[in-house]
Amino acid sequence: GENVEQHPSTLSVQEGDSAVIKCTYSDSASNYFPWYKQELGKRPQLIIDIRSNVGEKKDQRIAVTLNKTAKHFSLHITETQPEDSAVYFCAASRAGGGNKLTFGTGTQLKVEL
Amino acid sequence: DGGITQSPKYLFRKEGQNVTLSCEQNLNHDAMYWYRQDPGQGLRLIYYSQIVNDFQKGDIAEGYSVSREKKESFPLTVTSAQKNPTAFYLCATSGQRVETQYFGPGTRLLVL
Repeated sequence: GENVEQHPSTLSVQEGDSAVIKCTYSDSASNYFPWYKQELGKRPQLIIDIRSNVGEKKDQRIAVTLNKTAKHFSLHITETQPEDSAVYFCAASRAGGGNKLTFGTGTQLKVEL
Repeated sequence: DGGITQSPKYLFRKEGQNVTLSCEQNLNHDAMYWYRQDPGQGLRLIYYSQIVNDFQKGDIAEGYSVSREKKESFPLTVTSAQKNPTAFYLCATSGQRVETQYFGPGTRLLVL
């Protein structure tokens, strides 16, 4: 089955700096890669996703890059703000509804003033 | 994900007791999922269902059971065989042809 590894487990940055979280996956058939943000005690919320037919996707201060050959994908947050502090999860699955998502173990991001 | 409800918000279980967690959705999504989240850890899949009257085991199904009699509902029972049930339980749904999963607000299960 799919295995997703996520690094780092904790990340502390100064407000205004950039943050990068990296994930690797094992199943070459995976082609959907979402990122979720989870605030303390709340549900995970989808913040961005990418499919394997593109290499990069941006949404304001958030971007995701995908390297299918190396089986790597990364989340980039620019101009970080205190409200970006949360746990971020990457995940991977095959295409199509009803397919299983395999999650990474999460990154605790802390944005310091 | 406002169309996914989970109840109760907090649930207390006594030794040897079975408890059932509710998940209801009005998004007309075909697939539904149950995840377990332990403190400081990721999400692990317990069971999932792609259509009514059908479901599959996830990675940690032992000690849990589910049913899918209606499209809108996917209840999870934590049986007495699950010896360490304390966790945050999340229900999720996805559409028929779309991989994106949306999560409910979760149920926190505690053992008395």
